[in-house]
Amino acid sequence: GAVVSQHPSRVICKSGTSVKIECRSLDFQATTMFWYRQFPKQSLMLMATSNEGSKATYEQGVEKDKFLINHASLTLSTLTVTSAHPEDSSFYICSASSGTGDNYGYTFGSGTRLTVV
Amino acid sequence: GESVGLHLPTLSVQEGDNSIINCAYSNSASDYFIWYKQESGKGPQFIIDIRSNMDKRQGQRVTVLLNKTVKHLSLQIAATQPGDSAVYFCAERGTGGFKTIFGAGTRLFVKA
Repeated sequence: GAVVSQHPSRVICKSGTSVKIECRSLDFQATTMFWYRQFPKQSLMLMATSNEGSKATYEQGVEKDKFLINHASLTLSTLTVTSAHPEDSSFYICSASSGTGDNYGYTFGSGTRLTVV
Repeated sequence: GESVGLHLPTLSVQEGDNSIINCAYSNSASDYFIWYKQESGKGPQFIIDIRSNMDKRQGQRVTVLLNKTVKHLSLQIAATQPGDSAVYFCAERGTGGFKTIFGAGTRLFVKA
């Protein structure tokens, strides 16, 4: 089945620094990937839709200059949290679709736990 | 705005019993619904889906029911096992869209 890999799984960074999270589709090409954020004991909130070769589409309330998304190839999307602050600490999850199979092949990555200290 | 929510945030069941997790959605334009299972520290895992032109779909030990009249979804898990303990989310997608919007989640505890 479709596999989506996220890296790193955990990261701790200092306040004010930037952190890059990678999302890779390992055995399929994904023109569209999605980035979610999940705070403890809460649901997944969609942050943005990452489109290969074009600008990402951000959900209302998500700062595009703070959460930079790059989707330079059909198998890789990156989310960079710029000038991170403690309130950015969260679980970040990406998803991608192979377009076939159950759920249209939508698969989620295993998530990245970001802690800003 | 559109939202997908749940009635019960926590559900505790005895091993071997059946579990029923409920979800209410507000966007009548949604035409595709999914149930996900999320274990601690992991991404969501697909369980079962249903299109809006159906009212019931069965999988292995799981059944999803859709009532469009009252905009209600439910997930039934038969013979609940300890490995079923997790948080369960319903999610929706709208017509022609690819964005998946998640509900609030229900934590299922299975007592041995």
